[in-house]
Amino acid sequence: GAGVSQSPSNKVTEKGKDVELRCDPISGHTALYWYRQSLGQGLEFLIYFQGNSAPDKSGLPSDRFSAERTGGSVSTLTIQRTQQEDSAVYLCASSLPQSEKLFFGSGTQLSVL
Amino acid sequence: GESVGLHLPTLSVQEGDNSIINCAYSNSASDYFIWYKQESGKGPQFIIDIRSNMDKRQGQRVTVLLNKTVKHLSLQIAATQPGDSAVYFCAENSKTSYDKVIFGPGTSLSVIP
Repeated sequence: GAGVSQSPSNKVTEKGKDVELRCDPISGHTALYWYRQSLGQGLEFLIYFQGNSAPDKSGLPSDRFSAERTGGSVSTLTIQRTQQEDSAVYLCASSLPQSEKLFFGSGTQLSVL
Repeated sequence: GESVGLHLPTLSVQEGDNSIINCAYSNSASDYFIWYKQESGKGPQFIIDIRSNMDKRQGQRVTVLLNKTVKHLSLQIAATQPGDSAVYFCAENSKTSYDKVIFGPGTSLSVIP
């Protein structure tokens, strides 16, 4: 069965460029999360979508970061004017309605040169 | 962002021994707790969960203990195997935090053959 799919798996970009990271959640999962994981560290919450409710954006580190979720399915995380400190693995997870059990994708490794 | 930890603490155990991984949480309103396992290059995977109305739950070779008095959670792995080597995260969920799941800093478990 299809799990959470993230693309690209690796992205190398130059400082100052914009990047878009994509997440395809499991079909029927209404909740979608983005987390950031720096090397050797834990998971930093970024943003949370739940159904048609307004997203919880409280974890976005700056206004260079934004995310949208179209049609309650696919989500795109956009980082504008990337900085070297944005280098990390960006993980997406989804869950069923009324469930806190998250299913994660394999992440996108972002490297900003 | 929330729950970004310092560099991961490491636990080394001999193959066949039992492992105990600890986690402290700060939100007394948290009512659901989950343990995830993250292998190298992969997203975290669900291991076991526990609700706040319980203090112990057992799975296959794993047991989670919850002490709400001191806001402490532990994961016990029986007869640790090399395949258990990974980073282990505890996570909590609270209805007061818009249902989002927040992760602890993680512990790296290394199994010595």
